[in-house]
Amino acid sequence: DVKVTQSSRYLVKRTGEKVFLECVQDMDHENMFWYRQDPGLGLRLIYFSYDVKMKEKGDIPEGYSVSREKKERFSLILESASTNQTSMYLCASSSPPRAVDLRIGELFFGEGSRLTVL
Amino acid sequence: QKEVEQNSGPLSVPEGAIASLNCTYSDRGSQSFFWYRQYSGKSPELIMSIYSNGDKEDGRFTAQLNKASQYVSLLIRDSQPSDSATYLCAVNNRANFGNEKLTFGTGTRLTIIP
Repeated sequence: DVKVTQSSRYLVKRTGEKVFLECVQDMDHENMFWYRQDPGLGLRLIYFSYDVKMKEKGDIPEGYSVSREKKERFSLILESASTNQTSMYLCASSSPPRAVDLRIGELFFGEGSRLTVL
Repeated sequence: QKEVEQNSGPLSVPEGAIASLNCTYSDRGSQSFFWYRQYSGKSPELIMSIYSNGDKEDGRFTAQLNKASQYVSLLIRDSQPSDSATYLCAVNNRANFGNEKLTFGTGTRLTIIP
């Protein structure tokens, strides 16, 4: 079974603190993603990465950065946490589309990290 | 206009009946369509994917796609209490084809009434 592990299920931080959210996958997937999920807004893509040391901005990258030094690990960084970053953060991974028909691979999600910024 | 729209619900369906979940999308270039199920407090899991117009069946689940109408639906037959969850529609468009930069709807909360 694919396993995507997020380091912390629940975090409480103060405004201005630096926050690291870690994600590790064990299926040798090339692609990794960070989403946040908020009521009424659904899942929104923050950053994604298709390879080690590669990163691309998603739809809401402001206030976030990422790091992918190893294939299995994708970290989300909040340089200076703010209250509007209180949310559920979901990491996901997938393999590239199949060469035969370019169908999209399944996204596998971690259990989520619920961050509260006071 | 949101790129992927779903009724937020809640949608209540009696046990054993058919649950019908709907999703519309704005990008005519969309190529791939997915339904994810998310139980309360859990992360989403893929239950159906569909790429061509028409119906695709998998057990009690049927996904339906109509690209001309920009509409995708999920039917759940013989609904069970264990189907109570939020269902997320996700779409990948032509510009992103070849990667999994999905756009998600906000989800429809489904409750199956015993």
